[in-house]
Amino acid sequence: QIQLVQSGPELKKPGETVKISCKASGYTFTDYSMHWVKQAPGKGLKWMGWINTETGEPTYADDFKGRFAFSLETSASTAYLQINNLKNEDTATYFCARSSSYLDYWGQGTTLTVSS
Amino acid sequence: DIVLTQSPASLAVSLGQRATISCRASQSVSTSSYSYMHWYQQKPGQPPKLLIKYASNLESGVPARFSGSGSGTDFTLNIHPVEEEDTATYYCQHSWEIPLTFGAGTKLELK
Repeated sequence: QIQLVQSGPELKKPGETVKISCKASGYTFTDYSMHWVKQAPGKGLKWMGWINTETGEPTYADDFKGRFAFSLETSASTAYLQINNLKNEDTATYFCARSSSYLDYWGQGTTLTVSS
Repeated sequence: DIVLTQSPASLAVSLGQRATISCRASQSVSTSSYSYMHWYQQKPGQPPKLLIKYASNLESGVPARFSGSGSGTDFTLNIHPVEEEDTATYYCQHSWEIPLTFGAGTKLELK
């Protein structure tokens, strides 16, 4: 069955770096793009961007340009989200989601807490 | 960017009654063939779940009490009859262009 399994919760300090993984199984990884979505505590869903799993080319929403980086390890069917120079406002749950226009399969979410 | 305005922000419905959620886009997200509007259900502590794709197509495994309609800029998610397990937050999302955007969400509770 199709699954996206994300890495576990993270507790970081401001200024640190985090890398969240999203391992796909049950389908051909390069047949679908991978998207990332942020959900701050008690808030709605915010689209961060996507990565072309065939070419590795990332596209970022305006609010996520600069400190955020999407990457792939295609041989391991895994997508990554790296956030550099963490800020308190990065505290959120981050989801990966497979896309074929709509987001049909989602990871379970990775909770990131940024606190000094 | 396309802004999606959902209404109401919250609603309370009795078991067995109908829940209607609206989503209005700031520009058309439809062609003559497809409407690039999708609906999700999210329960606390869980990822969103796809319910309806392309405005009116029920995702596999989703109960038939969920239905979607609309085109252009105005879309609706209906749930009838509402069951206890339907308490959740519902989001619309377009895929007309990049950036994708979501509505702010509608929280459905039981009366």
